[in-house]
This record gives sequence, C-alpha cells and structure tokens, in this order.
Amino acid sequence: GAVVSQHPSRVICKSGTSVKIECRSLDFQATTMFWYRQFPKQSLMLMATSNEGSKATYEQGVEKDKFLINHASLTLSTLTVTSAHPEDSSFYICSARDPSSGGIPYEQYFGPGTRLTVT
Amino acid sequence: GQNIDQPTEMTATEGAIVQINCTYQTSGFNGLFWYQQHAGEAPTFLSYNVLDGLEEKGRFSSFLSRSKGYSYLLLKELQMKDSASYLCDIMDSNYQLIWGAGTKLIIKP
Repeated sequence: GAVVSQHPSRVICKSGTSVKIECRSLDFQATTMFWYRQFPKQSLMLMATSNEGSKATYEQGVEKDKFLINHASLTLSTLTVTSAHPEDSSFYICSARDPSSGGIPYEQYFGPGTRLTVT
Repeated sequence: GQNIDQPTEMTATEGAIVQINCTYQTSGFNGLFWYQQHAGEAPTFLSYNVLDGLEEKGRFSSFLSRSKGYSYLLLKELQMKDSASYLCDIMDSNYQLIWGAGTKLIIKP
C-alpha cells in the first residue's frame, strides 16, 4: 500500500514554456502532499505543502506565481512550472501523507520523481 | 537554526561494515528517518527512530541518542547495490521533514 506516482518521469521543455507535473496517491487519500526540488549533489528542498481544497503553503524563497500548485482532489496534486528557464532544470519529487496509516505518524510516501530539463 | 550534518562521501569494501553518522540541531523532534537514494531516483525509506536505542532491520541498523543529537546508520555485509546516497532527516515540531545533504556511499569490490 501507500503508493505515489508521478507523471511524467522525464520532461524536456523550451525556455519560456510551462510544464505540468502530476502527483497521484494510488491506493490512499492524501489530504496533504508535498513538493520538493533537488539539484545535483544537494539535499531535497521543500518547495510547498499542498492541502486538498485549499491554497498551498510555499516555503520562503519559492515564487508562488512561478510554481503553481493545485490539490483539487484527495488523490491528485499538480505542480505547474510557468515560464520555465534553464535554472529551473531539476529533479522534482512529490510526497504524500496517508492519514489512515497506522504506521509511523506523519510519514511521507514519495513519488518516483520527475526530471525536468529546460533548454 | 536547524542543522543536520553527515559526511559528504564514504568508501567501503564489499562484504564489510560501514557506519554513517548524523548529528542534528533542530527546532523540536518527532523522529529521525534514514532514506536511501540511488542516483536519479526518489528516496526510499530505510528506518525510523523516535526513542533512544538501536533499531535493527536485516543488514541495516539505526541508532539514536536524542540527548546527544546523534544518530548512525550501520550497514553490514555490504553489497555493490548498496552504493547510493544515504539521507538523514528529522521530523521537526511542525511534523515537517528537515533533510541532511546526504552521504554518498561508494562500495568497492
């Protein structure tokens, strides 16, 4: 159980265009999802926390108008990188909490990640 | 401030034992996680410690001392597939994950 998928796994886009990344919880309902970004040889950096039916909470330094997050249902959150630039090229990872899980409190289950390359 | 320290890189030999240390200073503590991350992939869960002591799970063990702000991950009978980055992270008082930079473990034959 507690499987999280992401789509696409890899995407290449041209500078100035927008790209949408989907994060789905496949076998549970996720009231909270998280979006992370990871640059090469660096740690995961939390970008935003997404709660179903409400606006996302962005971390300091993350542009909310550039990284649009929508958590319209209990199984789907999307991250749209608008007007992408080469410096946005990174590995984007989502995670989700399963509130019904009887395991580790507040454990996050991770998607497989999306490699974004902006040319 | 919040800080998690772990060695940047370690090298070990196949079949041997390696210990990866992690020290931390965070605002609140609701548990320490160890994750394994292969290049280009998402992290996978290895262990969770919330009380002091040793948690053993097969070839992997994780230790926690909350008073010292210290943890280690012990890997036994190393295999080539264990070559990966190992991430130490803390769940803080807001139940958010604070990530260390990770330790790249290189296994040599």
